[in-house]
Amino acid sequence: DAGVIQSPRHEVTEMGQEVTLRCKPISGHNSLFWYRQTMMRGLELLIYFNNNVPIDDSGMPEDRFSAKMPNASFSTLKIQPSEPRDSAVYFCASSPRGQYGYTFGSGTRLTVV
Amino acid sequence: AQSVAQPEDQVNVAEGNPLTVKCTYSVSGNPYLFWYVQYPNRGLQFLLKYITGDNLVKGSYGFEAEFNKSQTSFHLKKPSALVSDSALYFCAVRDWDDYKLSFGAGTTVTVRA
Repeated sequence: DAGVIQSPRHEVTEMGQEVTLRCKPISGHNSLFWYRQTMMRGLELLIYFNNNVPIDDSGMPEDRFSAKMPNASFSTLKIQPSEPRDSAVYFCASSPRGQYGYTFGSGTRLTVV
Repeated sequence: AQSVAQPEDQVNVAEGNPLTVKCTYSVSGNPYLFWYVQYPNRGLQFLLKYITGDNLVKGSYGFEAEFNKSQTSFHLKKPSALVSDSALYFCAVRDWDDYKLSFGAGTTVTVRA
């Protein structure tokens, strides 16, 4: 298995632009998580999907952030408009039913200038 | 509510010496506990977990951790550290009936030759 696949690995964009991060979870995993990692706040859970349905989006910082999971093999995290304070590493993770831990992707390093 | 504390931001040890990374947790029910390691510019990699059973858990790369219910601790240990163990280590906890993993702030381990 190729693991959790995220794209792009790096993204540099200008303030005000729309940014879309992509994630392909491990086949058969029914839970998907988006995390953000910064030096100041550490790892923050942004949103959790179970069977493609958003269950908990309380960690999404504001309305500029949105996430979708149109099918079991694909999810996106969108920021519109982006701001410099959104600069961080964004991780996607997936987990199978009945299991206890997550498998993380390699992350997307976002820089908003 | 669940939470994790990693009291040390940094741990420095000489190669060949024992390595310990501390973690304490708080959950309302039975804890599921995890250790992850993050190398520079990489995602989090699973090291080991405690779900139930033997309090001493063995994981990848020679690491082990001991679950101590009375002290609510789950310290990570390695008898003889290697330079290649230098990385960022995260402890995480999940309540038995919750989907969400809560992560500690992380401990940076530096092993000097």
